[in-house]
Amino acid sequence: AQKITQTQPGMFVQEKEAVTLDCTYDTSDQSYGLFWYKQPSSGEMIFLIYQGSYDEQNATEGRYSLNFQKARKSANLVISASQLGDSAMYFCAMREDAGGTSYGKLTFGQGTILTVHP
Amino acid sequence: NAGVTQTPKFQVLKTGQSMTLQCAQDMNHNSMYWYRQDPGMGLRLIYYSASEGTTDKGEVPNGYNVSRLNKREFSLRLESAAPSQTSVYFCASSPLAGGVTDTQYFGPGTRLTVL
Repeated sequence: AQKITQTQPGMFVQEKEAVTLDCTYDTSDQSYGLFWYKQPSSGEMIFLIYQGSYDEQNATEGRYSLNFQKARKSANLVISASQLGDSAMYFCAMREDAGGTSYGKLTFGQGTILTVHP
Repeated sequence: NAGVTQTPKFQVLKTGQSMTLQCAQDMNHNSMYWYRQDPGMGLRLIYYSASEGTTDKGEVPNGYNVSRLNKREFSLRLESAAPSQTSVYFCASSPLAGGVTDTQYFGPGTRLTVL
């Protein structure tokens, strides 16, 4: 079974509007972390936001927020007031604790390509 | 403060050739990682080093070796390149030695083509 599922291969949004990128995950761990990364066309991977499984509040970083619904195992990224520079591939990733055996391992989804139209 | 740097940026090899991808970080991070990114498959972990002097296999280690030369540097070696190793390779580092909160920071990537 896929650990991280991003069901939207591509998304389009108008500049200045908000957009939600979906991410669902599968784990039996109680302790885990969820991450979102941005990959622009230049290729680098840029860390955006982190949510811990025990965090009671949704994470926010500037225009990025994470809609964390633990019971549904979803961690959707919300980008408010989209800008042309937000056009990129976005990856959701998870790190499980697994009793310390998943040391260092981030599991990535397949990504969603976001295109922002002027 | 350059963050994570990788060399080379691009490389073309013939089947059977060997090469080493270099990675260095100047953030005094303990852990370092090598990933490969193939179209439609996200990133997959090849090897990681939780701390200086230790290395461990990730999800797809076959055909690769690594060396944690010191705290700053972590190299990835392809001993006999195969076309299946055509990919984009990313090095990453993180401050802690594990833990679910440990955020990884990535280098710019190396685009490798094996003919």
